[in-house]
Amino acid sequence: DAGVTQSPTHLIKTRGQQVTLRCSPKSGHDTVSWYQQALGQGPQFIFQYYEEEERQRGNFPDRFSGHQFPNYSSELNVNALLLGDSALYLCASSLAGSGRGPDTQYFGPGTRLTVL
Amino acid sequence: GESVGLHLPTLSVQEGDNSIINCAYSNSASDYFIWYKQESGKGPQFIIDIRSNMDKRQGQRVTVLLNKTVKHLSLQIAATQPGDSAVYFCAEKEDNYGQNFVFGPGTRLSVLP
Repeated sequence: DAGVTQSPTHLIKTRGQQVTLRCSPKSGHDTVSWYQQALGQGPQFIFQYYEEEERQRGNFPDRFSGHQFPNYSSELNVNALLLGDSALYLCASSLAGSGRGPDTQYFGPGTRLTVL
Repeated sequence: GESVGLHLPTLSVQEGDNSIINCAYSNSASDYFIWYKQESGKGPQFIIDIRSNMDKRQGQRVTVLLNKTVKHLSLQIAATQPGDSAVYFCAEKEDNYGQNFVFGPGTRLSVLP
């Protein structure tokens, strides 16, 4: 049973560039959430995708956008990169319950983004 | 506002001893909690969860206790092993549509030989 996978594992970009990170959810899951984890801190919620739509969003600027595909995989895009965007970007997948929000989230290994 | 915090940022225990990691939360509407373990360079790993209709749940060598009165959560690890060394996060959520988890800053557990 494949767990959550993310690519790439590491990425180095310069300020002003754009980046796309990818996530494949755990087998059987249909919901993908993205988190940003700065060094020494807990993960911060960016947004969540379900049925190919952004369902909920955290306190992140519009430079952060995403997409979910029919196979439930997802992409996180960040435009106009800033030094402060350097972080570990985590993808978590879950299975939406009937009539209620998704439950237990399982995380991938993350993508380490460094902005120079 | 919502926040999840931890009482101790670091914890050192002797191998074989029991560990207790604490967490405070402020959102009284939170009704589902998860403890995650994160090793260096890896994503958070699910350890154990608990819903607000319970006050205790046990897993293999781990126990989670929930005290809703004082909004406190704890993770107990029995017979702590070197492989338990990691950062532990508690995460909370309010059970609504399109939910997200709120994480605390984490506690680093170091197991001494």
